[in-house]
Amino acid sequence: DIVMTQSPDSLAVSLGERATINCKSSQSVLYNSNNKNYLAWYQQKPGQPPKLLIYWASTRESGVPDRFSGSGSGTDFTLTISSLQTEDVAVYYCQQYYSNPYTFGQGTRLEIK
Amino acid sequence: EVQLVESGGGLVKPGGSLRLSCAGSGFTFSNAWMNWVRQAPGKGLEWVGRIKSKADGGTIEYAAPVKGRFTISRDDSKNMVYLQMNSLKTEDTAVYYCNTGQFFDYWGQGTLVTVSS
Repeated sequence: DIVMTQSPDSLAVSLGERATINCKSSQSVLYNSNNKNYLAWYQQKPGQPPKLLIYWASTRESGVPDRFSGSGSGTDFTLTISSLQTEDVAVYYCQQYYSNPYTFGQGTRLEIK
Repeated sequence: EVQLVESGGGLVKPGGSLRLSCAGSGFTFSNAWMNWVRQAPGKGLEWVGRIKSKADGGTIEYAAPVKGRFTISRDDSKNMVYLQMNSLKTEDTAVYYCNTGQFFDYWGQGTLVTVSS
């Protein structure tokens, strides 16, 4: 199984500042035949289902604000929120969809400082 | 508008069975890969299983903790996907979500399954 490890477990950032969440996979999720990283990011607010933010490691889902961006390749990935807003308070998960089982990171709780 | 609505959750004793349903609308259901993901109270997300579209072979995959106990099926004529859960254990207690796609782009609101004596 591919193990997904996020860091940090929790993060407090001031409004308007940058938030960065890291995700490391135990093996590469880059599929060489199409040069795509099978990595997604989700946001989950209390009492709500997760919401897809980013797929293919860096493609923003339709309707997601452009302050959210994803980067990285192979085994190391980053979700960046360029200017934190109050509505961004949530738990964020990375997930690999490269191979069964399609594992998630443990989650990173993002709060306002 | 894409909608996914889960139903069928509830309280069941260890060793019991339950069938969850997920109704989809607002998209071409027959073309969709459908997944089940669960979340134990206060915990993270765990993929449970997937059923691909018939056009993609209808392949069904399961996570190891549920393989042999859970069965996923679909009825494209009704835009429904099902999760039959047998031999339930206390550790199966969770909110169960259905969602769509290779990466999980649309999610239902979830249904709570509680396994307790």
